[in-house]
Amino acid sequence: SFLLTQPPSVSVTPGQTARITCGGNNIGGESVHWYQQRPGQAPILVVYDDSDRPSGIPERFSASTSGNTATLTVSRVEAGDEADYYCQVWDGRSDQVVFGGGTKLTVL
Amino acid sequence: QVQLVESGGAVVQPRRSLRLSCAASGFTFNTYFMHWVRQTPGKGLEWVAALSFDARKSSYADSVRGRFTISRDNYRNILYLQMDSLRVEDTAVYYCARDEAGDLDVWGKGTMVSVSS
Repeated sequence: SFLLTQPPSVSVTPGQTARITCGGNNIGGESVHWYQQRPGQAPILVVYDDSDRPSGIPERFSASTSGNTATLTVSRVEAGDEADYYCQVWDGRSDQVVFGGGTKLTVL
Repeated sequence: QVQLVESGGAVVQPRRSLRLSCAASGFTFNTYFMHWVRQTPGKGLEWVAALSFDARKSSYADSVRGRFTISRDNYRNILYLQMDSLRVEDTAVYYCARDEAGDLDVWGKGTMVSVSS
C-alpha cells in the first residue's frame, strides 16, 4: 500500500517558519490532507486537498504538493502550534486511508 | 453543532470481543462516509476501517480485516465497530471520524480499548 514518510521531529523558535514534509511515491498525484494533534486531544484537520484551509484555521497554515513531496508550512510559529502533525491520503488502489508517521513540532 | 461521541471502550482479555459506538449529531449522518482510526498511546494514527454512507461498501486495514466489522444505523445516527478476536496490539484510543470527500473533517474525542490478560 501507499507509504508516507515524515521526519520524526521539527524544531523552531517562535516567529520562525516551520516546514514539515511528507514523502510518497508520486504524492503530487494525490489529494493530501494534514492534521494537527495537540497532546491529549483528538486530531483536527488543518489543510485539505493539498492546500485548502478549513474555516477557523489561521492563514499561517499553508501547504503545497509537488512530485514526491508534500509540505506543510507554519508561518510565524506560536507556542500553541506545538503539536504532532500528520499527512494523509486515500490510496484508491487498496481502498485504504494512509497516514504518515507523524512529525512532532517543537517550539523552542 | 456537529459532534461525534464514541463509547464502549473497556479493558478486555485477549481473544474476547467488544463493540464500539459513535453517536453522530448536528449533520445529515446518512450522507457521509465514516471511519474508525486508532492510536496506540505515544504512537501515530492508524486507520482502521471505513464505511460508505449507505453501508454498501466497507474497507479495512490489513491488521484488522477478518476480525473487525464496521457498520452503521442511519436511523439512529450511530456508527459501530465490532471487534472480535482482540489482541494485545489492538490496545489504543479509537476515534470515529467523518469523511468529507477524502479528508476527515470531524473527529470524536475517542474511547480507550485496553487488551490485557
